[in-house]
Amino acid sequence: DAGVTQSPTHLIKTRGQQVTLRCSPKSGHDTVSWYQQALGQGPQFIFQYYEEEERQRGNFPDRFSGHQFPNYSSELNVNALLLGDSALYLCASSLGFLQNIQYFGAGTRLSVL
Amino acid sequence: QQQVKQSPQSLIVQKGGIPIINCAYENTAFDYFPWYQQFPGKGPALLIAIRPDVSEKKEGRFTISFNKSAKQFSLHIMDSQPGDSATYFCAAIISGGYNKLIFGAGTRLAVHP
Repeated sequence: DAGVTQSPTHLIKTRGQQVTLRCSPKSGHDTVSWYQQALGQGPQFIFQYYEEEERQRGNFPDRFSGHQFPNYSSELNVNALLLGDSALYLCASSLGFLQNIQYFGAGTRLSVL
Repeated sequence: QQQVKQSPQSLIVQKGGIPIINCAYENTAFDYFPWYQQFPGKGPALLIAIRPDVSEKKEGRFTISFNKSAKQFSLHIMDSQPGDSATYFCAAIISGGYNKLIFGAGTRLAVHP
């Protein structure tokens, strides 16, 4: 049973570029949440998708957007990259929007130069 | 009110010692408190969790103590081993609706042989 998988593992971009990160949830899970983890910090909630809709959003600008597909996989898009966007981006999946237990992927390490 | 404060920032113990990590919260609507363990290059993995109607929970060598009146909870690792060396995060979540985890800043634990 595959857990949460994320791609790519690492990514290097320059300021102003756009990036797309991908996540496949754990088998049977239908809810995907995205978190940003800056170096030495705890993960910060970006947004959550359930039934292909954004259900809740953290304190992140509109440059951060996402999508959930019918197979429950999800994408995180970040436009107009800033140096401060450099971080580990984590995807977490859970079963049903009422489920407290979230399983995390290994993350995508984004470096913005 | 959404913050979870975690201490200490780092901790060094000898093998067999009992490291203790503390967390405090303000929002009394939080009703589920998980602890995550993160190794370098990996995503956070759920370790143990507790609800505020329980004062203590044990799973193997890991114990959570919960003080509802003080709005504090802590993780104890019994008979710590070098393999326990990792970063530990406490978190809090409000059940129901669209769940987002609020993480503490993390504690980097080193267990020396």
